[in-house]
Amino acid sequence: AQTVTQSQPEMSVQEAETVTLSCTYDTSESDYYLFWYKQPPSRQMILVIRQEAYKQQNATENRFSVNFQKAAKSFSLKISDSQLGDAAMYFCALNSGGSNYKLTFGKGTLLTVNP
Amino acid sequence: KAGVTQTPRYLIKTRGQQVTLSCSPISGHRSVSWYQQTPGQGLQFLFEYFSETQRNKGNFPGRFSGRQFSNSRSEMNVSTLELGDSALYLCASSPELTGTDTQYFGPGTRLTVL
Repeated sequence: AQTVTQSQPEMSVQEAETVTLSCTYDTSESDYYLFWYKQPPSRQMILVIRQEAYKQQNATENRFSVNFQKAAKSFSLKISDSQLGDAAMYFCALNSGGSNYKLTFGKGTLLTVNP
Repeated sequence: KAGVTQTPRYLIKTRGQQVTLSCSPISGHRSVSWYQQTPGQGLQFLFEYFSETQRNKGNFPGRFSGRQFSNSRSEMNVSTLELGDSALYLCASSPELTGTDTQYFGPGTRLTVL
Protein backbone atom coordinates (compact mmCIF):
# COMPACT_ATOMS: atom_id res chain seq x y z
CA ALA A 1 0.00 0.00 0.00
CA GLN A 2 1.15 3.54 -0.64
CA THR A 3 0.37 6.51 1.55
CA VAL A 4 0.90 10.26 1.35
CA THR A 5 0.77 12.54 4.37
CA GLN A 6 0.54 16.32 4.40
CA SER A 7 0.80 17.45 8.01
CA GLN A 8 -0.06 21.11 7.43
CA PRO A 9 -3.78 21.59 6.76
CA GLU A 10 -3.29 25.34 6.33
CA MET A 11 -0.39 27.69 5.70
CA SER A 12 -0.13 31.40 5.07
CA VAL A 13 2.56 33.54 3.50
CA GLN A 14 3.08 37.21 2.77
CA GLU A 15 3.22 38.24 -0.82
CA ALA A 16 6.80 38.10 -2.18
CA GLU A 17 7.92 35.84 0.66
CA THR A 18 8.89 32.15 0.53
CA VAL A 19 6.87 29.27 1.89
CA THR A 20 7.52 25.53 2.15
CA LEU A 21 4.80 22.90 2.13
CA SER A 22 5.61 19.49 3.61
CA CYS A 23 4.82 16.03 2.34
CA THR A 24 5.91 12.57 3.43
CA TYR A 25 5.07 9.35 1.69
CA ASP A 26 5.47 5.64 1.93
CA THR A 27 5.78 3.05 -0.80
CA SER A 28 7.51 -0.29 -1.14
CA GLU A 29 8.31 0.38 -4.79
CA SER A 30 11.76 1.48 -5.83
CA ASP A 31 10.58 3.23 -8.99
CA TYR A 32 7.98 5.90 -8.33
CA TYR A 33 7.01 9.45 -9.16
CA LEU A 34 5.93 12.33 -7.00
CA PHE A 35 3.80 15.30 -7.92
CA TRP A 36 2.50 18.54 -6.52
CA TYR A 37 -0.86 19.66 -7.82
CA LYS A 38 -2.56 22.99 -7.21
CA GLN A 39 -6.33 23.44 -6.98
CA PRO A 40 -7.44 27.08 -6.83
CA PRO A 41 -10.88 27.74 -5.34
CA SER A 42 -13.58 26.43 -7.65
CA ARG A 43 -11.04 25.90 -10.37
CA GLN A 44 -9.34 23.05 -12.07
CA MET A 45 -6.49 21.00 -10.59
CA ILE A 46 -3.23 21.70 -12.38
CA LEU A 47 0.21 20.19 -12.16
CA VAL A 48 2.82 22.30 -10.40
CA ILE A 49 5.85 20.05 -10.49
CA ARG A 50 6.90 16.41 -10.73
CA GLN A 51 9.89 14.43 -9.49
CA GLU A 52 11.17 11.07 -10.62
CA ALA A 53 12.48 9.04 -7.67
CA TYR A 54 15.51 7.82 -9.61
CA LYS A 55 16.71 11.39 -10.14
CA GLN A 56 18.84 12.82 -7.37
CA GLN A 57 18.50 16.36 -8.65
CA ASN A 58 15.57 18.29 -7.23
CA ALA A 59 13.00 19.44 -9.78
CA THR A 60 12.39 23.14 -10.33
CA GLU A 61 9.76 25.04 -12.29
CA ASN A 62 10.28 28.79 -12.20
CA ARG A 63 9.36 29.90 -8.65
CA PHE A 64 8.51 26.36 -7.58
CA SER A 65 11.10 23.84 -6.40
CA VAL A 66 11.11 20.66 -4.40
CA ASN A 67 13.33 19.21 -1.72
CA PHE A 68 13.29 15.49 -2.38
CA GLN A 69 14.80 13.39 0.42
CA LYS A 70 14.46 9.80 -0.74
CA ALA A 71 15.82 8.10 2.37
CA ALA A 72 13.51 10.13 4.59
CA LYS A 73 10.62 9.71 2.12
CA SER A 74 10.07 13.43 2.18
CA PHE A 75 8.98 15.67 -0.70
CA SER A 76 8.48 19.32 0.20
CA LEU A 77 7.45 22.14 -2.13
CA LYS A 78 9.05 25.56 -1.90
CA ILE A 79 7.31 28.55 -3.43
CA SER A 80 9.53 31.59 -3.81
CA ASP A 81 8.36 35.17 -4.33
CA SER A 82 4.79 34.17 -3.49
CA GLN A 83 2.06 35.81 -5.53
CA LEU A 84 -1.64 36.30 -4.84
CA GLY A 85 -2.39 33.83 -7.61
CA ASP A 86 -0.56 31.11 -5.69
CA ALA A 87 -3.42 30.93 -3.19
CA ALA A 88 -4.90 27.46 -3.56
CA MET A 89 -5.13 23.99 -2.11
CA TYR A 90 -1.92 22.11 -2.79
CA PHE A 91 -1.91 18.35 -3.04
CA CYS A 92 1.07 16.05 -2.89
CA ALA A 93 0.60 12.86 -4.91
CA LEU A 94 2.44 9.60 -5.48
CA ASN A 95 2.39 7.25 -8.42
CA SER A 96 4.31 4.11 -7.64
CA GLY A 97 4.04 2.87 -11.21
CA GLY A 98 4.05 -0.82 -11.86
CA SER A 99 0.50 -2.05 -12.21
CA ASN A 100 -1.03 0.53 -9.85
CA TYR A 101 -2.15 2.99 -12.53
CA LYS A 102 -3.31 5.50 -9.96
CA LEU A 103 -2.32 8.54 -7.97
CA THR A 104 -2.47 8.49 -4.20
CA PHE A 105 -3.06 11.96 -2.79
CA GLY A 106 -2.40 13.62 0.52
CA LYS A 107 -5.20 15.52 2.26
CA GLY A 108 -3.91 18.82 0.96
CA THR A 109 -2.57 22.10 2.35
CA LEU A 110 -4.60 25.27 1.96
CA LEU A 111 -2.24 28.13 1.17
CA THR A 112 -3.30 31.69 1.80
CA VAL A 113 -1.25 34.56 0.36
CA ASN A 114 -1.57 37.84 2.24
CA PRO A 115 -1.04 41.14 0.37
CA LYS B 1 -4.91 21.21 -27.69
CA ALA B 2 -8.17 21.15 -25.76
CA GLY B 3 -8.01 20.00 -22.15
CA VAL B 4 -10.00 17.34 -20.36
CA THR B 5 -13.70 18.10 -20.47
CA GLN B 6 -16.37 16.80 -18.16
CA THR B 7 -20.12 16.97 -18.47
CA PRO B 8 -22.27 17.96 -16.81
CA ARG B 9 -20.49 20.39 -14.54
CA TYR B 10 -23.22 20.35 -11.91
CA LEU B 11 -25.83 17.77 -11.08
CA ILE B 12 -28.53 17.48 -8.43
CA LYS B 13 -30.11 14.10 -7.81
CA THR B 14 -32.20 12.48 -5.11
CA ARG B 15 -31.43 9.38 -3.12
CA GLY B 16 -32.07 6.16 -4.98
CA GLN B 17 -31.58 7.65 -8.42
CA GLN B 18 -28.72 6.84 -10.71
CA VAL B 19 -26.36 9.18 -12.51
CA THR B 20 -23.95 9.04 -15.44
CA LEU B 21 -20.97 11.37 -15.72
CA SER B 22 -18.96 11.85 -18.88
CA CYS B 23 -15.31 12.61 -19.52
CA SER B 24 -13.51 13.44 -22.76
CA PRO B 25 -9.73 13.12 -22.45
CA ILE B 26 -7.10 15.24 -24.11
CA SER B 27 -6.74 14.25 -27.74
CA GLY B 28 -4.30 11.35 -28.02
CA HIS B 29 -4.57 10.34 -24.39
CA ARG B 30 -5.65 6.76 -23.91
CA SER B 31 -5.80 6.44 -20.16
CA VAL B 32 -8.66 7.89 -18.15
CA SER B 33 -8.87 7.85 -14.36
CA TRP B 34 -11.68 8.88 -12.07
CA TYR B 35 -11.40 10.30 -8.56
CA GLN B 36 -13.92 11.29 -5.93
CA GLN B 37 -13.14 14.41 -3.92
CA THR B 38 -14.91 15.14 -0.63
CA PRO B 39 -14.00 17.41 2.28
CA GLY B 40 -13.82 14.48 4.67
CA GLN B 41 -12.05 11.82 2.63
CA GLY B 42 -10.05 13.98 0.26
CA LEU B 43 -9.22 12.61 -3.16
CA GLN B 44 -9.89 8.93 -3.59
CA PHE B 45 -9.20 6.82 -6.66
CA LEU B 46 -12.23 5.21 -8.26
CA PHE B 47 -10.93 3.43 -11.35
CA GLU B 48 -8.70 3.68 -14.38
CA TYR B 49 -9.33 2.67 -17.97
CA PHE B 50 -6.99 2.14 -20.85
CA SER B 51 -8.05 0.96 -24.30
CA GLU B 52 -11.53 0.14 -23.01
CA THR B 53 -10.15 -2.06 -20.23
CA GLN B 54 -10.35 -1.35 -16.54
CA ARG B 55 -6.85 -1.79 -15.19
CA ASN B 56 -7.38 -0.80 -11.60
CA LYS B 57 -10.25 -0.15 -9.26
CA GLY B 58 -10.37 1.64 -5.96
CA ASN B 59 -12.17 0.60 -2.81
CA PHE B 60 -15.69 1.66 -3.71
CA PRO B 61 -18.91 -0.35 -3.69
CA GLY B 62 -20.23 -1.98 -6.82
CA ARG B 63 -22.71 0.86 -7.25
CA PHE B 64 -19.84 2.74 -8.84
CA SER B 65 -18.99 1.56 -12.32
CA GLY B 66 -17.39 2.92 -15.42
CA ARG B 67 -16.52 2.23 -18.98
CA GLN B 68 -14.37 3.56 -21.76
CA PHE B 69 -15.22 3.79 -25.41
CA SER B 70 -13.03 3.18 -28.44
CA ASN B 71 -12.43 6.93 -28.81
CA SER B 72 -11.09 6.98 -25.20
CA ARG B 73 -14.08 8.90 -23.86
CA SER B 74 -15.19 7.54 -20.53
CA GLU B 75 -18.32 7.46 -18.46
CA MET B 76 -18.88 6.60 -14.85
CA ASN B 77 -22.18 5.54 -13.40
CA VAL B 78 -23.41 5.58 -9.84
CA SER B 79 -26.57 3.65 -9.13
CA THR B 80 -28.87 3.87 -6.12
CA LEU B 81 -27.43 7.19 -5.02
CA GLU B 82 -26.78 7.82 -1.33
CA LEU B 83 -26.32 11.14 0.46
CA GLY B 84 -22.65 10.28 0.94
CA ASP B 85 -22.11 10.19 -2.80
CA SER B 86 -22.27 13.98 -2.88
CA ALA B 87 -18.83 14.99 -4.09
CA LEU B 88 -16.73 16.50 -6.82
CA TYR B 89 -15.93 13.80 -9.35
CA LEU B 90 -12.70 14.42 -11.21
CA CYS B 91 -11.58 12.82 -14.39
CA ALA B 92 -7.93 12.79 -15.43
CA SER B 93 -6.24 11.67 -18.61
CA SER B 94 -2.72 10.73 -19.57
CA PRO B 95 -1.10 9.24 -22.62
CA GLU B 96 -0.84 5.82 -21.05
CA LEU B 97 -0.43 6.21 -17.29
CA THR B 98 2.78 4.60 -16.45
CA GLY B 99 5.04 6.03 -13.83
CA THR B 100 6.35 8.47 -16.35
CA ASP B 101 3.01 9.94 -17.28
CA THR B 102 1.48 13.00 -15.76
CA GLN B 103 -2.27 13.04 -15.26
CA TYR B 104 -4.18 16.07 -16.47
CA PHE B 105 -7.40 16.85 -14.71
CA GLY B 106 -10.74 18.10 -15.90
CA PRO B 107 -12.83 20.71 -14.07
CA GLY B 108 -14.94 18.07 -12.37
CA THR B 109 -18.62 17.33 -12.00
CA ARG B 110 -20.17 18.54 -8.76
CA LEU B 111 -22.81 15.98 -7.72
CA THR B 112 -25.28 16.84 -4.99
CA VAL B 113 -27.53 14.10 -3.67
CA LEU B 114 -30.63 15.26 -1.79
